[in-house]
Amino acid sequence: AQKVTQAQTEISVVEKEDVTLDCVYETRDTTYYLFWYKQPPSGELVFLIRRNSFDEQNEISGRYSWNFQKSTSSFNFTITASQVVDSAVYFCALSELRGAQKLVFGQGTRLTINP
Amino acid sequence: DTGVSQDPRHKITKRGQNVTFRCDPISEHNRLYWYRQTLGQGPEFLTYFQNEAQLEKSRLLSDRFSAERPKGSFSTLEIQRTEQGDSAMYLCASSYLIGQVNTGELFFGEGSRLTVL
Repeated sequence: AQKVTQAQTEISVVEKEDVTLDCVYETRDTTYYLFWYKQPPSGELVFLIRRNSFDEQNEISGRYSWNFQKSTSSFNFTITASQVVDSAVYFCALSELRGAQKLVFGQGTRLTINP
Repeated sequence: DTGVSQDPRHKITKRGQNVTFRCDPISEHNRLYWYRQTLGQGPEFLTYFQNEAQLEKSRLLSDRFSAERPKGSFSTLEIQRTEQGDSAMYLCASSYLIGQVNTGELFFGEGSRLTVL
């Protein structure tokens, strides 16, 4: 069975600080996708990134970066120089590469950026 | 707006009543998913369609729940004889499948929040 664990329930930092959201996953599949989604107060899940399990290169997109380590089954997300607009609940998710490709989500991390 | 739209956004009902939610996916997307999200939790998969065929249902989808996608476009999720435990956000998502592999992200709607009194 697949499982995603986000051990940090809530994080609160002051604006401009860097913050890392942890994600650990379990799967028996040898190939899979990993995702991060942002859920602002409006409720819509906003796609941030998708990674294939066979692509372990870290990725940077503006202030966002992702560290995928297959050896430790982790897919951590770092926001550099955080801003108040980054405040949201962030979800890490896992899906199979083929078949239903349904997402298995972690419980989410509520991130609050204080001015 | 060409995103995934859901209606109604909020629904308050009394226990025992039936409710129906509608989802309009992105027009060219052939896959449509329903998820349920309770307070403080991540979304959980309920069911999905490929075109008009319902291909998988979660154990979370009790007999009181039924979903349809009659023409492979919009979808409805009906809950009969609602219970207080059904109170949740019901999220719809769509994606485009080429061959056996999704092209990328799953686009989510803003959800339909159900409150059962």
